[in-house]
Amino acid sequence: GAVVSQHPSRVICKSGTSVKIECRSLDFQATTMFWYRQFPKQSLMLMATSNEGSKATYEQGVEKDKFLINHASLTLSTLTVTSAHPEDSSFYICSARLLAGGRNEQFFGPGTRLTVL
Amino acid sequence: SQELEQSPQSLIVQEGKNLTINCTSSKTLYGLYWYKQKYGEGLIFLMMLQKGGEEKSHEKITAKLDEKKQQSSLHITASQPSHAGIYLCGADRGGGSNYKLTFGKGTLLTVNP
Repeated sequence: GAVVSQHPSRVICKSGTSVKIECRSLDFQATTMFWYRQFPKQSLMLMATSNEGSKATYEQGVEKDKFLINHASLTLSTLTVTSAHPEDSSFYICSARLLAGGRNEQFFGPGTRLTVL
Repeated sequence: SQELEQSPQSLIVQEGKNLTINCTSSKTLYGLYWYKQKYGEGLIFLMMLQKGGEEKSHEKITAKLDEKKQQSSLHITASQPSHAGIYLCGADRGGGSNYKLTFGKGTLLTVNP
């Protein structure tokens, strides 16, 4: 299957600081990427849809000014958690949509565990 | 919004046994994805089903989508400890939604050697 990477895999930061998480599709181009968060023992909750070359689409209840998304190229989307607080501590996972050659699949990155102190 | 119910929530089986995980939707599924997740890690794509009655297999894992496209099952034959993990079904909300996925709460599978 296609490979999606995330960086960093773990990050610990102080309350009030900003953290950037990168999501890259390594062997395919993705016009659409998705950002999810997952709390312990819970399922994935979609936060936003990242569209290359245009603004991200946020799910209801997700603050766009707090979770900044940039999809600058067909292989890279970034999520910046601004002014992070302890309640933002979570597991953030991105996925990239592969739409080519008759395939329509989503591949997920390994996740980034954010801990805000 | 589309709700996905997975059952059972957790499952403990002895190595070598067969098992089935179910995923039921309140609405017609345009696409149904099965993923496996180890705790604290990303999701591993298993299979995607789109057509009513479709069935796909990979190694010892078989996934089916019913004719009405509202229920899917994941069957593991002769389970092994390597099958342990969280199995998630995800539903494609349809082309107009830009292929966003809604996930079930997952099924935690433990395989005892």
